[in-house]
Amino acid sequence: EPEVTQTPSHQVTQMGQEVILRCVPISNHLYFYWYRQILGQKVEFLVSFYNNEISEKSEIFDDQFSVERPDGSNFTLKIRSTKLEDSAMYFCASSEGTVGTQYFGPGTRLLVL
Amino acid sequence: KNEVEQSPQNLTAQEGEFITINCSYSVGISALHWLQQHPGGGIVSLFMLSSGKKKHGRLIATINIQEKHSSLHITASHPRDSAVYICAASSGTYKYIFGTGTRLKVLA
Repeated sequence: EPEVTQTPSHQVTQMGQEVILRCVPISNHLYFYWYRQILGQKVEFLVSFYNNEISEKSEIFDDQFSVERPDGSNFTLKIRSTKLEDSAMYFCASSEGTVGTQYFGPGTRLLVL
Repeated sequence: KNEVEQSPQNLTAQEGEFITINCSYSVGISALHWLQQHPGGGIVSLFMLSSGKKKHGRLIATINIQEKHSSLHITASHPRDSAVYICAASSGTYKYIFGTGTRLKVLA
């Protein structure tokens, strides 16, 4: 069964460093998303992406964040200068259409020291 | 702004019990989703509902559009059902708006 994959599974970084989180969505899906979950809190929407551009972004998704689909398979989230409060689990998801089921990757646990 | 509320936040049940988790949302939606989050963090979609009722194995999900309310039921609960169950609303802007989750523990 097709699945969304994410790398790395864990990343530890120093405050101020850049990190890139990678995702491979399901191959025939057209809509891509990033969410995050701070430990003990609910999952929050960051950004949605379609047709090589951002469809919607949340207040969390400020200038420190960017997304890219560099080739036909990868979808990346970059945090330019990490802060302590960026420590969270980051989930990538993809869907065929706008209203359908989103399929989630296993997450990348980011720890900023 | 759509808010999604769940209750209870925590639930402990004995094996075999019938379990109900409730979800309410504040504005119109295009679909309501129930998801399961495992202890390791992975999120799996269980149901997508826009009306009525759906059943998959021992899981049943219902939605009442007029009352803006959905329920997830687990019949004959089992320790392997222990997980966090989350409802999420989508309203045509692609994103899911997540509830806070219900942490379920089923004791043998």
